[in-house]
Amino acid sequence: GAVVSQHPSWVICKSGTSVKIECRSLDFQATTMFWYRQFPKQSLMLMATSNEGSKATYEQGVEKDKFLINHASLTLSTLTVTSAHPEDSSFYICSASYPRAGLAANEQFFGPGTRLTVL
Amino acid sequence: GQSLEQPSEVTAVEGAIVQINCTYQTSGFYGLSWYQQHDGGAPTFLSYNALDGLEETGRFSSFLSRSDSYGYLLLQELQMKDSASYFCAVRRNQGGKLIFGQGTELSVKP
Repeated sequence: GAVVSQHPSWVICKSGTSVKIECRSLDFQATTMFWYRQFPKQSLMLMATSNEGSKATYEQGVEKDKFLINHASLTLSTLTVTSAHPEDSSFYICSASYPRAGLAANEQFFGPGTRLTVL
Repeated sequence: GQSLEQPSEVTAVEGAIVQINCTYQTSGFYGLSWYQQHDGGAPTFLSYNALDGLEETGRFSSFLSRSDSYGYLLLQELQMKDSASYFCAVRRNQGGKLIFGQGTELSVKP
């Protein structure tokens, strides 16, 4: 159980266009999802925390008007990169907190990632 | 500020034991997690410590000392497929928010 999917797995777009990335929890309901960005050979940088039915909480330095997050249901969060530029090219990964009791409560399960290339 | 320190790379041979250390300095600490990530893939959960001591899961074990702000991941009976990046991550609150270290690239040689 605890499968998280992302779509698309990769996307190439022109500079100035917007790209939407979907993150779905397939077999569980996730009230909280997280969005990360990872550059090659670097760590995962948390961009924002997405809560179902409320506004996302963005990390310092992340432009909320550029990276629009919508968490409309308990199984779907979307990240839209608006007016994408080449420097936005990166690996975008979402994760969902798996609700269960015990010390490992809210363990995060990661999606397979979306590789964005902006030309 | 917040920081997690781990070695950038480690090399070992098949069958050996390797330990990857992680020291952290964060505002808010709920537990220390470890993740494995193969090139181009998603991070996969390995282990989690909320309390001091050793947690064992098959060939992998993880240790935490909260007083020393220190933990490690121990990989035993190394296999070629264990070649990957390993990240320690501090869970900052009960909601699961994670702050990741820079990652340790493990290369397992024949």
